[in-house]
Amino acid sequence: EPEVTQTPSHQVTQMGQEVILRCVPISNHLYFYWYRQILGQKVEFLVSFYNNEISEKSEIFDDQFSVERPDGSNFTLKIRSTKLEDSAMYFCASSEERDGMNTEAFFGQGTRLTVV
Amino acid sequence: AQKVTQAQTEISVVEKEDVTLDCVYETRDTTYYLFWYKQPPSGELVFLIRRNSFDEQNEISGRYSWNFQKSTSSFNFTITASQVVDSAVYFCALRLNYGQNFVFGPGTRLSVLP
Repeated sequence: EPEVTQTPSHQVTQMGQEVILRCVPISNHLYFYWYRQILGQKVEFLVSFYNNEISEKSEIFDDQFSVERPDGSNFTLKIRSTKLEDSAMYFCASSEERDGMNTEAFFGQGTRLTVV
Repeated sequence: AQKVTQAQTEISVVEKEDVTLDCVYETRDTTYYLFWYKQPPSGELVFLIRRNSFDEQNEISGRYSWNFQKSTSSFNFTITASQVVDSAVYFCALRLNYGQNFVFGPGTRLSVLP
């Protein structure tokens, strides 16, 4: 069964360092997302991406964050200068378009980012 | 603005008991989608169901059933004859017809004890 895959599963980085989280969405999906979940808290929307551009982003997604689809399969989230409060589980998701409409999102296993 | 409320923070049941997880949502839009996701201890988010706002038919899938009531803006989830493997955090989520953002509720942690 097709699935969203994320690498790495766990990343530890020092405060101020740049990190890139990688995702391979399901191949025929057109919408891509990043969400994050601070430990024990709710899942929060960061950004959605469609047709090679950002279609929606939240207040959390400030200038320190960027997304890219560098080739036909990968979808990356970059955090330029990590802060302690960026420590969280980051989920990538993708969804397809059916009948002209967006559908349910399928999530990857997540990348646990720990900023020390 | 859209909002999803899951008033039950934690629920504990004994195996084979039935359990209902509540979800109440807020939106002014007339077309929207509701979802349930399961987050087991391993951490991934597993899609369970999607329901369109214009389809109030309840759904049953094995031991799982969903009760969608627009009149009360609720989309409740019942697990019949619960099993230990059902132990997880369950999230209810809302998405608007034109939007891409999924708004998640705070989650309900279900513990099924043997």
